[in-house]
Amino acid sequence: LAKTTQPISMDSYEGQEVNITCSHNNIATNDYITWYQQFPSQGPRFIIQGYKTKVTNEVASLFIPADRKSSTLSLPRVSLSDTAVYYCLVGDRDDKIIFGKGTRLHILP
Amino acid sequence: DAGVTQSPTHLIKTRGQQVTLRCSPKSGHDTVSWYQQALGQGPQFIFQYYEEEERQRGNFPDRFSGHQFPNYSSELNVNALLLGDSALYLCASGEWREYLNTEAFFGQGTRLTVV
Repeated sequence: LAKTTQPISMDSYEGQEVNITCSHNNIATNDYITWYQQFPSQGPRFIIQGYKTKVTNEVASLFIPADRKSSTLSLPRVSLSDTAVYYCLVGDRDDKIIFGKGTRLHILP
Repeated sequence: DAGVTQSPTHLIKTRGQQVTLRCSPKSGHDTVSWYQQALGQGPQFIFQYYEEEERQRGNFPDRFSGHQFPNYSSELNVNALLLGDSALYLCASGEWREYLNTEAFFGQGTRLTVV
């Protein structure tokens, strides 16, 4: 499983766009990139998954450059309720889900 | 449609005791995975069950065991509890081969405190 590196924490303000970048230099050909969100004392919640280029859903966008060695989760116009831990995961779809320490995002009023 | 449900929500046990945690997967899901999450850390994979068999296992000792029932629900058993077993235990469900690294659904977890 490819190792991921993401910032330990980030602060932003309500209404701003937040971009969290994840580095995964050893990503394999069959690996997908998946992001989860976790609020305190709750289970993680799937946000988005992608393989290459750009993926967008109602919650976020995921940008993946051509070399796939990094990815960026983009949250548009964040609110206080977006304060959470965000995990970047890389692996084959048959892999068990392996979490790192994630990025603690703190949204300020 | 109920999502993944776990019971109990909180539990306090004494060191050396045994504990059983329960998980009911989301309707339509046949695969259950268990995770341990210590305070301030990401969830750590314990094991995964499909067709009542353990399919994958993380780096956890044999004190951690599990079971899956014909209705796809699952139990996590931990024997000889240690203080370090205090954590949030999460259950995730999905469809076999369709979810492992796609959209897994997690329960709210069971907060286990060992004293």
